[in-house]
Amino acid sequence: GAGVSQSPSNKVTEKGKDVELRCDPISGHTALYWYRQRLGQGLEFLIYFQGNSAPDKSGLPSDRFSAERTGESVSTLTIQRTQQEDSAVYLCASSNSGTASSLVYGYTFGSGTRLTVV
Amino acid sequence: AQKVTQAQTEISVVEKEDVTLDCVYETRDTTYYLFWYKQPPSGELVFLIRRNSFDEQNEISGRYSWNFQKSTSSFNFTITASQVVDSAVYFCALGNYGQNFVFGPGTRLSVLP
Repeated sequence: GAGVSQSPSNKVTEKGKDVELRCDPISGHTALYWYRQRLGQGLEFLIYFQGNSAPDKSGLPSDRFSAERTGESVSTLTIQRTQQEDSAVYLCASSNSGTASSLVYGYTFGSGTRLTVV
Repeated sequence: AQKVTQAQTEISVVEKEDVTLDCVYETRDTTYYLFWYKQPPSGELVFLIRRNSFDEQNEISGRYSWNFQKSTSSFNFTITASQVVDSAVYFCALGNYGQNFVFGPGTRLSVLP
């Protein structure tokens, strides 16, 4: 597609359940990023994939969070045993990192998944 | 460590006023890139501008202008003759090849009619 697609757009889950959030990056973008944005707050880096390199997981807040990416395509962010503090908008972005375009145009963000843990 | 500071949490102006959003950054890299993003109430983040560290020429694009000063590690953003549609949260970010971007906490701008 033309943009970064995230699904679902909204997710309400019960505390303790697992959730999976999906991101379809722009075709050909080698880099994919996940960020979390709590209500009224800034963007909090979670994880970064670059091609076939080992992902940078330094931003994952706990071992309940994990993410996978197959090649240079879809990524899934999984949150296990969700807690109320996990409620936030989860934003995915992609870029053609390593070429000039990403640093000319920055990231392209998806619309996010709003996660509410009740 | 890289860090971006946006000291202004919220700003309110009346339509047609000029407004400047401040951004101060920290990095040990000699080459880096700075960005501004806009997040309107709809939630999507919209890329506005990029500057690289070796080009301190200021830029004007319509009602928007950016003042990059490497000596003070600042990359400020000015909206001239603000409009209600400019109401959004504005994020300053710092990035480089092969690294994740570091975002500032954002400045919420409200332009009142």
